[in-house]
Amino acid sequence: AQTVTQSQPEMSVQEAETVTLSCTYDTSESDYYLFWYKQPPSRQMILVIRQEAYKQQNATENRFSVNFQKAAKSFSLKISDSQLGDAAMYFCAYRSDDMRFGAGTRLTVKP
Amino acid sequence: KAGVTQTPRYLIKTRGQQVTLSCSPISGHRSVSWYQQTPGQGLQFLFEYFSETQRNKGNFPGRFSGRQFSNSRSEMNVSTLELGDSALYLCASSLVPDRGDYGYTFGSGTRLTVV
Repeated sequence: AQTVTQSQPEMSVQEAETVTLSCTYDTSESDYYLFWYKQPPSRQMILVIRQEAYKQQNATENRFSVNFQKAAKSFSLKISDSQLGDAAMYFCAYRSDDMRFGAGTRLTVKP
Repeated sequence: KAGVTQTPRYLIKTRGQQVTLSCSPISGHRSVSWYQQTPGQGLQFLFEYFSETQRNKGNFPGRFSGRQFSNSRSEMNVSTLELGDSALYLCASSLVPDRGDYGYTFGSGTRLTVV
């Protein structure tokens, strides 16, 4: 079974600074997709960024980028120029047949 | 277009009762997945439906069941509720159950409290 591990239960960043959230996963498959979702206090999960395993180029979406290391099975999320609105739970997810999530990292942004 | 709609948003039930939660996916989406979210266990996959058929099922007891209708709306049912079933139940929809799509769109969830 595929597992997703987020080793940082909580992270904190100063507004306008950069923070990196870690994620590792375990799989024997070669074709899969990885995602980062954000869950603010409103509870709604919001897709932040998506990466296809067969693409070597790291995905970027404005201030959000990933560092995808397929051999190491690592998929970290970098948030640049952090904003107060970035404060939320962040979940790393792996999708092959169905989607599995990590335990989440709570990000606090300090003004 | 309208997002994923889950009803009700909050629910309080007594141990031993049963409950039915509803999820209406985004128009045109045919795949619906359900997750249970608790502070201790995180997001646990319950099941996925596509075209009225269950495609995948997570590791939950038979008390948890679901179905999908021809209009893609889905319901999940929990019978003989236990205190440990208290959780946020999230529904997510996608166009088709294809690993190549753009991930899931989630609803706001149903907060179930069992007393």
